[in-house]
Amino acid sequence: DAGVIQSPRHEVTEMGQEVTLRCKPISGHDYLFWYRQTMMRGLELLIYFNNNVPIDDSGMPEDRFSAKMPNASFSTLKIQPSEPRDSAVYFCASSLRQGPDEQFFGPGTRLTVL
Amino acid sequence: DQQVKQNSPSLSVQEGRISILNCDYTNSMFDYFLWYKKYPAEGPTFLISISSIKDKNEDGRFTVFLNKSAKHLSLHIVPSQPGDSAVYFCAASALSNYQLIWGAGTKLIIKP
Repeated sequence: DAGVIQSPRHEVTEMGQEVTLRCKPISGHDYLFWYRQTMMRGLELLIYFNNNVPIDDSGMPEDRFSAKMPNASFSTLKIQPSEPRDSAVYFCASSLRQGPDEQFFGPGTRLTVL
Repeated sequence: DQQVKQNSPSLSVQEGRISILNCDYTNSMFDYFLWYKKYPAEGPTFLISISSIKDKNEDGRFTVFLNKSAKHLSLHIVPSQPGDSAVYFCAASALSNYQLIWGAGTKLIIKP
């Protein structure tokens, strides 16, 4: 298996623009997680899905952030409009089983908002 | 409020010696703990885990110890190798809540 795939790997945009980050989880994994990593706050969970359904989005910082999972093999995280403070590395992860279990992470998308 | 704390931002160890990374937690509901390793420009990768019904779990050069009364766990790497240089994250979870709560990470540097 190719592992969790994220695109793009790097994104540079200007403040106010819409940004869409993409993730393909490992086939057969029922859980998908979106994380954000910053120097100040470390690794934060933004939202997670179970069988394509959002379960907990309490980590999503503002209404400017939204996430979807239209099918088992694809998810998006959208920021509209983007702001410089959104600059961070965004990770997608997936896991197989219910309950605490190891999560498999993608390589991340480094977002820079100018 | 940080529920999982890794108080050492960095640690430097001589190659061949033992590396000990520490993690403290405050939530007594946590019953499953994981360690992840992260190289630059890559996502974290799972290393080893331990359930609260155990106090030790070993996998090759890596051993995790759990002290529930002290709410403390540690990761031992013996012997340390140059490829172990990375950032190590401690994470915790409660069976009643699927989310992983992450520590801030410790950067391990193995000196030749």
